[in-house]
Amino acid sequence: KQEVTQIPAALSVPEGENLVLNCSFTDSAIYNLQWFRQDPGKGLTSLLLIQSSQREQTSGRLNASLDKSSGRSTLYIAASQPGDSATYLCAEDTGRRALTFGSGTRLQVQP
Amino acid sequence: DVKVTQSSRYLVKRTGEKVFLECVQDMDHENMFWYRQDPGLGLRLIYFSYDVKMKEKGDIPEGYSVSREKKERFSLILESASTNQTSMYLCASSLSQDNQPQHFGDGTRLSIL
Repeated sequence: KQEVTQIPAALSVPEGENLVLNCSFTDSAIYNLQWFRQDPGKGLTSLLLIQSSQREQTSGRLNASLDKSSGRSTLYIAASQPGDSATYLCAEDTGRRALTFGSGTRLQVQP
Repeated sequence: DVKVTQSSRYLVKRTGEKVFLECVQDMDHENMFWYRQDPGLGLRLIYFSYDVKMKEKGDIPEGYSVSREKKERFSLILESASTNQTSMYLCASSLSQDNQPQHFGDGTRLSIL
């Protein structure tokens, strides 16, 4: 059974810090790894998708990496801002079209 | 921009009622999904559909059914609602090609009394 784990469950940092969120997955037959953001009481917003043939993807201050051999992905957020406060979820697509999600990391950026 | 619209943000129903949750997407996506999200359990897949009138069970289909009569609409049905179905329900859609991101609606917070 596929499992996706995110550590830490919660993180609080001062504004301006660079930070890394971690995601590990057990199924090496991965098509892609997706990162989402979820604000309280809302749905998910897609941030980045890394295909299995890629090592990383960048969008603005966000950079996501993928290491299939170790079963890990990281989301790097540069120069964090209070508006980045949200829950960040990673999800694995192993080709069945649906995603297997981690439980998320709740990020609080203090002004 | 892709828009996935769920018909209700909040819904309160009684035990034993038949409940319909509706989801509509406006980008001609082939794939549509229903997840539920619970504290400590994360998002879990209930059902998904990759074409009109096609459906596949996800990880927790018991107590639910779905309907996809038109490409843009995917309905989740709770046949006889129970209190353990109180949850946040999220609908998503995506294109059928490989490596396409899923786009989510804002969710329906369903309470079964």
